[in-house]
Amino acid sequence: DVLMTQSPLSLSVTLGQPASISCKSSQSLVHSNGNTYLHWIQQRPGQSPRRLIYRVSNRDSGVPDRFSGSGSGTDFTLEISRVEAEDVGVYYCLQGSHWPPWTFGQGTRVEIK
Amino acid sequence: EVQLVESGGGLVQPGGSLRLSCVASGFTYRIYWMSWVRQASGKGLEWVANLKGDGSQKYYVDSVRGRFSISRDNTNNLLFLDMNNLRVEDTAVYYCVRDDWGPSKTWGQGTLVTVSS
Repeated sequence: DVLMTQSPLSLSVTLGQPASISCKSSQSLVHSNGNTYLHWIQQRPGQSPRRLIYRVSNRDSGVPDRFSGSGSGTDFTLEISRVEAEDVGVYYCLQGSHWPPWTFGQGTRVEIK
Repeated sequence: EVQLVESGGGLVQPGGSLRLSCVASGFTYRIYWMSWVRQASGKGLEWVANLKGDGSQKYYVDSVRGRFSISRDNTNNLLFLDMNNLRVEDTAVYYCVRDDWGPSKTWGQGTLVTVSS
């Protein structure tokens, strides 16, 4: 199984400041079809998860443009350009390139300082 | 708009059984792989199983293989997870998600399964 490792596991950010979460995979996530199935999931407190970013860098509809994803191969990053109060929650990366199974990172908890 | 509504969770004793259901709407259900993902309280997300649109292929995480069975009813846009020989460690909120090489944008509200004596 592909191991997904996130860092940091916890992040305390001042409102309006940037935040960055790293996600590293134990093997390249480039699928034989050329796509990279690395996604980012947000889970706000008490809510169901929702997908924010799909295939590395594509924002889902309704996701503010302060969220961006980047990376390639085994190294990926989720960035929030200016953290807002509604961004509090846990963020997960996951890979769907080499399944079964999909594998998730451990999650990064974002809180406001 | 994709909508997924899970049901069937509850309290069950270790060794017991439960059937989860998910009704899907807003997309052509029969052509999509579907997955179950679970989350124990205060823990991370874990993929459990998935099933091809026509029901011909299915896969499971090692910890549930042989105990859980995923199935679907494409006439009524339903996804099922039959869980047998339940263990305390199966306690979690279970989500059904459309499988787009990973989960789709929208998740349901989930259904809570509690395995306890």
